[in-house]
Amino acid sequence: QVQLVQSGAEVKTPGASVKVSCKTSGYTFSKYGVNWVRQAPGQGLEWMGWISGHNGNTAYAQKLQDRVTMTTDTSTSTSYMELRSLISDDTAMYYCARGGGVVPTVHFDSWGQGTLVTVSS
Amino acid sequence: EIVLTQSPDTLSLSPGERATLSCRASPSVSSVYFAWYQQKPGQPPRLLIYGASTRATGIPDRFSGSGSGTDFTLTITRLEPEDFAVYYCQQYGSSSLSFGGGTKVEIK
Repeated sequence: QVQLVQSGAEVKTPGASVKVSCKTSGYTFSKYGVNWVRQAPGQGLEWMGWISGHNGNTAYAQKLQDRVTMTTDTSTSTSYMELRSLISDDTAMYYCARGGGVVPTVHFDSWGQGTLVTVSS
Repeated sequence: EIVLTQSPDTLSLSPGERATLSCRASPSVSSVYFAWYQQKPGQPPRLLIYGASTRATGIPDRFSGSGSGTDFTLTITRLEPEDFAVYYCQQYGSSSLSFGGGTKVEIK
């Protein structure tokens, strides 16, 4: 079955960077992409960006494009999301979700369990 | 950027009642690129509906989606205890995807 398994919780200080991994299994990695979505405590869902498992193309939310980088390792079917220059407002649960392989315009049919990132001095 | 506005913020209903959730898009969205998700506390979201009206795998038929352009609706015909949750709409028709703010369906 399709599975997305994320790395564990992180605690970072303001100004630091965090890198979250999303290891996928149960499907052909190159036929799909991975989206990243975050959710601040008690708040709604915010789309951060998408990376193609086919060719590594990316699309980032304008608000975050200067601070976020998404990458893939096709040899391990793993996607990574790195967020730099962290501020307290980046404290959130971060999810990866399977989406389109060639374009980002596809619904998210499977989700990871989430990774809690806490930014605190 | 496409903005999605959900209403109401909270819906208080009893098991067995009908729930009607709304999502308004500005500007309009093709129904091909519209989805609904359910999220329960401590869990990731789960896909319910895509293409505005197609149920995802394993979703019971008491859930239905409709709408086009700027107005979309999620209907739950008879609420079961496990349906009390937060529901989000999503558009994925542009290179900048977005979610609505959510509607919480709570037990009255």
